[in-house]
Amino acid sequence: QKEVEQDPGPLSVPEGAIVSLNCTYSNSAFQYFMWYRQYSRKGPELLMYTYSSGNKEDGRFTAQVDKSSKYISLFIRDSQPSDSATYLCAMSANAGNMLTFGGGTRLMVKP
Amino acid sequence: NAGVMQNPRHLVRRRGQEARLRCSPMKGHSHVYWYRQLPEEGLKFMVYLQKENIIDESGMPKERFSAEFPKEGPSILRIQQVVRGDSAAYFCASSPSASVEAFFGQGTRLTVV
Repeated sequence: QKEVEQDPGPLSVPEGAIVSLNCTYSNSAFQYFMWYRQYSRKGPELLMYTYSSGNKEDGRFTAQVDKSSKYISLFIRDSQPSDSATYLCAMSANAGNMLTFGGGTRLMVKP
Repeated sequence: NAGVMQNPRHLVRRRGQEARLRCSPMKGHSHVYWYRQLPEEGLKFMVYLQKENIIDESGMPKERFSAEFPKEGPSILRIQQVVRGDSAAYFCASSPSASVEAFFGQGTRLTVV
């Protein structure tokens, strides 16, 4: 079993839809939870990070962490074609430690 | 302020040759991380370095792979006697301190033929 599981998709939605992306994990030591966006043949770009449980909002993006269920989510409101990319969740036990990534979910937002 | 710079962007090597991948971190960043991304897989941690020191190399294969981050110049990931299984995208990230907010470069795509 992988430490971090992520549905690979692809997830196809119409423009304007609310998108929900999720990861589950098994290591209870993880304290930092990140979401990265990766366009094709580019490097990952950090979207948001959350420490411990709770919610964090930034524009159209909301990150949620439920440590009791070992489950994290990223919601994208009013999705745009430019949001089409692969979304990677990543986790870390300590600041500065190695990140453990999920396999990524490919999202396609159709105009 | 330039981002994390990796070169070359694409590298082709024959089996048995050496591959040297370079990473210049963002200005003011002294922490560098190397990750490998195999086709259709997520990124896998390889090594974490600070200037002149290897902090964590738990993700590095024990043989053929080495990394350095000298006092002056870029960080180098070196793969000796490459095999086809080394074909992947290699990403470098940097941060100013021990932080989860690391910025990634565009990667080097290594193809072993």
